[in-house]
Amino acid sequence: GESVGLHLPTLSVQEGDNSIINCAYSNSASDYFIWYKQESGKGPQFIIDIRSNMDKRQGQRVTVLLNKTVKHLSLQIAATQPGDSAVYFCAENGGTSYGKLTFGQGTILTVHP
Amino acid sequence: EPEVTQTPSHQVTQMGQEVILRCVPISNHLYFYWYRQILGQKVEFLVSFYNNEISEKSEIFDDQFSVERPDGSNFTLKIRSTKLEDSAMYFCASRELPGLAGNEQFFGPGTRLTVL
Repeated sequence: GESVGLHLPTLSVQEGDNSIINCAYSNSASDYFIWYKQESGKGPQFIIDIRSNMDKRQGQRVTVLLNKTVKHLSLQIAATQPGDSAVYFCAENGGTSYGKLTFGQGTILTVHP
Repeated sequence: EPEVTQTPSHQVTQMGQEVILRCVPISNHLYFYWYRQILGQKVEFLVSFYNNEISEKSEIFDDQFSVERPDGSNFTLKIRSTKLEDSAMYFCASRELPGLAGNEQFFGPGTRLTVL
């Protein structure tokens, strides 16, 4: 069956460090991937997305890398700040046009001042 | 900035009771979704809705669940006879355009449903 999973459930970093959060997916039909940030008691907040025709996409302090060969997705956060502490989920669309998203388990990122 | 809103923020109900969770999607969006998240677990897709009908639903979305867009602004999720295992955070999401991969879904803050 299709699934999206994460290698590491928790990640602790010092403020100012770069963070890398990884995600593996199994549905080769997926052509759209998103990273969401979820703070306690809130809904998922969009961070960055990438389509399958791209390998890399950069935003403000964030970069998403997509390796379709090994079905791997990563989120890089530069100069991590305490406000980045949250749970990070990757999600994929399974190649559907209706937009159903399949989420991974989530990684807890803790940034220490 | 436009946002998805949900009410109530917390709903407590007795097992077997009906609940209606309400959402107001972003006004120019055409695709609507419900997801749920059991405490400590990942977000799970329930149903997608477009052009006044369900476009896709998951195995979780059984006959006890229904969705409705009763007017031009609200999007509701009804659970007819709640079970203990329905306790979760329920998130509404909306998307602007259909049929395009890569179109961001905006999520609401969620409704925490507690079934006693």
